[in-house]
Amino acid sequence: KQEVTQIPAALSVPEGENLVLNCSFTDSAIYNLQWFRQDPGKGLTSLLLIQSSQREQTSGRLNASLDKSSGRSTLYIAASQPGDSATYLCAADTGRRALTFGSGTRLQVQP
Amino acid sequence: AAGVIQSPRHLIKEKRETATLKCYPIPRHDTVYWYQQGPGQDPQFLISFYEKMQSDKGSIPDRFSAQQFSDYHSELNMSSLELGDSALYFCASSSRQGREKLFFGSGTQLSVL
Repeated sequence: KQEVTQIPAALSVPEGENLVLNCSFTDSAIYNLQWFRQDPGKGLTSLLLIQSSQREQTSGRLNASLDKSSGRSTLYIAASQPGDSATYLCAADTGRRALTFGSGTRLQVQP
Repeated sequence: AAGVIQSPRHLIKEKRETATLKCYPIPRHDTVYWYQQGPGQDPQFLISFYEKMQSDKGSIPDRFSAQQFSDYHSELNMSSLELGDSALYFCASSSRQGREKLFFGSGTQLSVL
């Protein structure tokens, strides 16, 4: 059974810092890995999707990498802003057409 | 651009009542998923449909059922509601049998009193 872990559980940084969120998964046989953002009481917004054949994906200030062999993915956020404050979830697709989510990293960017 | 639409946004029910949640996927998406997110927890997969057929089943209680209709909208039916069913219920859709990004709706907040 796939298990997804995210570290740290919570993170507070001053505005402007670059930061890295970590995600690890136990079953390396994944089809893709997706990063989401969730604001309190709201839905999930897809940020980046990395297919199993890819190493990284970039969108604006966000960069996600994937290392299947080690079961790890990282989300890099450059020049953080207060508007980035949210919970960030990674989710692994092991081909059963359903995602297994991590518990998320709660990010607070201080102005 | 059209997004995944869920209704209602909020629902309050009593124990042992029945609830129906609706989901309208993004046009031309062929797969619909239902997830349950309890307070402070990560989303848990319940069930999915591909081209109107059930394709996968997760931790969905026997008291719950779901279906996808000819217009691709989906409904999650929940009977004999329990206090523990209080949660945020998300619907998501994707294309190409889920190999593309999942797009989530804003969710239905169900409160069972």
